[in-house]
Amino acid sequence: DAGVTQSPTHLIKTRGQQVTLRCSPKSGHDTVSWYQQALGQGPQFIFQYYEEEERQRGNFPDRFSGHQFPNYSSELNVNALLLGDSALYLCASSPGSLEAFFGQGTRLTVV
Amino acid sequence: GESVGLHLPTLSVQEGDNSIINCAYSNSASDYFIWYKQESGKGPQFIIDIRSNMDKRQGQRVTVLLNKTVKHLSLQIAATQPGDSAVYFCAENRVNRDDKIIFGKGTRLHILP
Repeated sequence: DAGVTQSPTHLIKTRGQQVTLRCSPKSGHDTVSWYQQALGQGPQFIFQYYEEEERQRGNFPDRFSGHQFPNYSSELNVNALLLGDSALYLCASSPGSLEAFFGQGTRLTVV
Repeated sequence: GESVGLHLPTLSVQEGDNSIINCAYSNSASDYFIWYKQESGKGPQFIIDIRSNMDKRQGQRVTVLLNKTVKHLSLQIAATQPGDSAVYFCAENRVNRDDKIIFGKGTRLHILP
């Protein structure tokens, strides 16, 4: 079992561009959540997907959107990138129960 | 409001000693707490969890204590090892409400030789 895998591992984008990050959940997990972790901070909840629907959303603007596919994998899209969007983006999956497993994250740098 | 905070940002412990990392939460309705370990360049790794109907739970070398009266939880690591160096987060998962995990800022644990 590969666990939660995220791609790419690192990414550099220019302000105003758009980015798509990908996540494959742990086998058997149907719920995927995305978090943003700024340097020196704890992860902040962006949103959660279950059954291909956004189930919960944190305090993030509409520039942040996502999608979940029938195989439970998920994408995080960020439009009109700002310098402040530079962070580690984490994906977590769970089987609908309490324990969530995190991927290694995608380090996004906006220049 | 929604917040899970930590008392100290950095903790230095002698190798072989026990480590105690503390955390305060603000919502008395919280019902599930998790401790995560995050090493440099990696995602958070689940260590141990505890439900609000318990006050203590033990794992391998780790113990979590929950005091609901003062809304405080702690993580105790026995016989701290160099591999325990990391940032530790307490987190709150509000089950049956919105299932999102709320993290605190983290405590960095330094192991002294």
